[in-house]
Amino acid sequence: SYELTQPPSVSVSPGQTARITCSADALTKQYAYWYQQKPGQAPVLLIYKDNERPSGIPERFSGSSSGTTVTLTISGVQAEDEADYYCQTTDSTGTYYVFGPGTKVTVL
Amino acid sequence: EVQLVQSGAEVKKPGESLKISCKGSGYKFPNYWIGWVRQVPGKGLEWMGIVHPGDSDTIYSPAFQGQVTISADESLTTAYLQWSNLKASDSAMYYCARRSLVGGYQLDVWGKGTTVTVSS
Repeated sequence: SYELTQPPSVSVSPGQTARITCSADALTKQYAYWYQQKPGQAPVLLIYKDNERPSGIPERFSGSSSGTTVTLTISGVQAEDEADYYCQTTDSTGTYYVFGPGTKVTVL
Repeated sequence: EVQLVQSGAEVKKPGESLKISCKGSGYKFPNYWIGWVRQVPGKGLEWMGIVHPGDSDTIYSPAFQGQVTISADESLTTAYLQWSNLKASDSAMYYCARRSLVGGYQLDVWGKGTTVTVSS
């Protein structure tokens, strides 16, 4: 098994850019996925295959990958972006899923 | 509309059994894996396992293997998560989620969750 590492929290002012990292050796070989979870709600898929955005997800959400680290970037942060963000990946065969511990984004 | 509708909140006693459900609609249910995710209050997401309704192929996280049973009924377009001997530590929110057929291993549609409370 393996673990994903995320910062526990990120604070950002409205209109600024928030960057949330997710690290693991496995990310050099496997794609990463990002989910947003607001209080009392189910998670929502934000990014798949490192940097693809599902339809309906605002363009201010983007993903990137470099080596063992993937990054979720929120450009022009809005108050409604305050939420927990989780990265997710799989083992090399795609059999087992793993979630990162989550990052709480606070909009100041 | 593609959706997963989960069964309602449950309150059980330790040692009891429980089966919660997740009904898919708006898409070809047999073709998509359905996963289960646990979230203890105030904590993060934990992947429990996944089932393919078309052939009942099931994969468990090692952390949950032997602790729960995941299944699906293609004819009812419903996936299930069940316990035979609940513990207080099973108290959590449980989400079902569909694995997308597009690209990688993302969970693209989620149910609203089922709260399970186990207390004597």
